[in-house]
Amino acid sequence: QVQLGESGGGVVRPGTSLRLSCAASGFTFGNYAMHWVRQTPGKGLERVAVIWFDGRKSSYLESVKGRFTISRDNANGRLYLQMNSLRDEDTAVYYCAREGSGTSIDHWGQGTLVIVSS
Amino acid sequence: EILLTQSPATLSLSPGEGATLSCRANQSISNFLAWYQQKPGQAPRLLIFDASNRAAGIPPRFRGRGSGTDFTLTISSLEPEDFAVYYCQQRSDWPKITFGQGTRLDIK
Repeated sequence: QVQLGESGGGVVRPGTSLRLSCAASGFTFGNYAMHWVRQTPGKGLERVAVIWFDGRKSSYLESVKGRFTISRDNANGRLYLQMNSLRDEDTAVYYCAREGSGTSIDHWGQGTLVIVSS
Repeated sequence: EILLTQSPATLSLSPGEGATLSCRANQSISNFLAWYQQKPGQAPRLLIFDASNRAAGIPPRFRGRGSGTDFTLTISSLEPEDFAVYYCQQRSDWPKITFGQGTRLDIK
């Protein structure tokens, strides 16, 4: 069965960096676009970044452009999110998610919590 | 930017009753709408894609309808496990996707 497992969350200071990882299994990873989606009580669900199945293109939420970078390793079934210049408002649970039927998101990881605080 | 407005914010019903949740877009999104269910401490789960197609394993009491700007998710007879938060999501201007703010379905 499809499994997505995030890691790398934690508590960091504003202005610092963090790298999230997602291990995928149970499907042919290189055939699917992949997303990072975050969730906060205040802003709800926000899709932070998406990367095409082959890694050639990506798209970002406006507020993270130039600070976050999504990447993938299709050979090893890994998705990454490099987060630089972190801000208080980046505090959220971050989900790794697979794009599926009808370009919806059909599988989600369990999430990893990122807290940005001084 | 395509905005999705869900109503009501909270719906209080009893098991066995029917529920109707609404999602309205600020411009036409054809049928490019999905619905998700989220329970406390869990990730969202896909229920419906392309407005009316049930995802794998979703029981037939969940029904999605609509096109253009107005969409509904109907749960025909509420089971105890259906009480959760429901989100809609559009992909009309993919790769940009946006979510509604959610409807909380509470036990009355």
